[in-house]
Amino acid sequence: AQSVSQHNHHVILSEAASLELGCNYSYGGTVNLFWYVQYPGQHLQLLLKYFSGDPLVKGIKGFEAEFIKSKFSFNLRKPSVQWSDTAEYFCAVNAWDMRFGAGTRLTVKP
Amino acid sequence: ETGVTQTPRHLVMGMTNKKSLKCEQHLGHNAMYWYKQSAKKPLELMFVYSLEERVENNSVPSRFSPECPNSSHLFLHLHTLQPEDSALYLCASSQEVSGSSTDTQYFGPGTRLTVL
Repeated sequence: AQSVSQHNHHVILSEAASLELGCNYSYGGTVNLFWYVQYPGQHLQLLLKYFSGDPLVKGIKGFEAEFIKSKFSFNLRKPSVQWSDTAEYFCAVNAWDMRFGAGTRLTVKP
Repeated sequence: ETGVTQTPRHLVMGMTNKKSLKCEQHLGHNAMYWYKQSAKKPLELMFVYSLEERVENNSVPSRFSPECPNSSHLFLHLHTLQPEDSALYLCASSQEVSGSSTDTQYFGPGTRLTVL
C-alpha cells in the first residue's frame, strides 16, 4: 500500500520568507497528488492537485507544487509567505485509495 | 463552507455512552468517507461508502459503526469507546469513490470527540 511522508512537523517562518514543504510517497505506479490546507478552526480544503500534464502545478493563494516522478516527491512551495498562511498542510496521494501525510504545521510570524 | 456539514461540532462522552455523529453533503456526490484525525498522525481513513454501499473498512474496531441511509447522509454510531478514540472525526465526500481518482474530496468541519 502507498504511504506518504511529510518530514517537517512544524515550520516557523517570518513574513516574506520563501516556503518549501516536503512530501514523498512510496508507490511505483500512477498516482494523483494533492495538497490540502487546514486553517485554524476551519475545515480541510484543497490547495492544488496534480494528475497529469505539466508537473509544476499552480494552486490558490500563490502556492505551487512540483511533481518529480524520479524522486517520488510533490513538494509545496510559495515564494513569499504571509501571516495568513499560518495553517496545517497535508499532502495526499491517491493510487488505490487516498492516503494522507501526518501534516506540517506552518507558523508565519508577522 | 464546503457543502459538507457535520454535527455535533464537539462531543464529550463517557466510555459507556452511545452517541452518533452525523454528516450531510449538499454537493450531489456519490461517495462519502469517515476519517479520524489525531495529533501528529496521518489522517486515518475509516470507512468509504459509494452510493450507500460500504466499499472499504480499514480494520476499524466494531465500537465504530457506520450507516449510510442515502447518498447525502452518513452517520457514525459510537458505543463503549476508549479514551484513545478521542480525536477529530472528519467526514468527506467526492463525486466518485477514490481509486486512481482525480476527484477532490470535500471535507466537513469535523466533530471534536473527547472520551472520558
